[in-house]
Amino acid sequence: QSVLTQPPSVSGAPGQRVTISCTGSSSNIGAGYDVHWYQQLPGTAPKLLIYGNSNRPSGVPDRFSGSKSGTSASLAITGLQAEDEGDYYCQSYDSSLSGVIFGGGTKLTVL
Amino acid sequence: QVQLQQSGPGLVKPSQTLSLTCAISGDSVSSNSATWNWIRQSPSRGLEWLGRTYYRSKWYNDYAVSMKSRITINPDTSKNQFSLQLNSVTPEDTAVYYCALRDNGYFQHWGQGTLVTVSS
Repeated sequence: QSVLTQPPSVSGAPGQRVTISCTGSSSNIGAGYDVHWYQQLPGTAPKLLIYGNSNRPSGVPDRFSGSKSGTSASLAITGLQAEDEGDYYCQSYDSSLSGVIFGGGTKLTVL
Repeated sequence: QVQLQQSGPGLVKPSQTLSLTCAISGDSVSSNSATWNWIRQSPSRGLEWLGRTYYRSKWYNDYAVSMKSRITINPDTSKNQFSLQLNSVTPEDTAVYYCALRDNGYFQHWGQGTLVTVSS
């Protein structure tokens, strides 16, 4: 069981908008630690998608956006494309565990 | 551009030691801002951070609580690389292992991943 909770799966049709939640607690997201998001396509290593809650690395389309509030964070993907299909993970830091933590991952299916 | 190239065996026998190496290009293992991490991924445990090594005037290591008694991460400045050793492995340690550079809290660069199977 991951410290950060994500829905196992989400889906949407091409062009639609989907959101993926990441719920933590007072020892991680709620303590003010940043949330980062990664995209993992089949057979590849995770790739940084959003850092510092809402910032996009260069090369990441502005269809991807992140936000954080309280003990939760969200990743939004607008204008869904077939190439977005894959697994998405949130990551933060936990002061009780004194270490990096990940969400359990969310599988995005583009219908 | 930073690149991380992993090497090491894909099969380890139970009770033996898992050893992997991550060669760094485009940055230095002695960087004063980066930390050098090992992460693993399995269907049962998802993504799991194992530990890190980093240099801030001297060398430091941090390990996940669940790994502390079995893990060692070492830098090798002569070869600009770092390594993972995990002792007394069991089939539960079967996973894809990744090395990764973490800076400002997030993992900017990842190795290609190594599937390590623990089996006799």
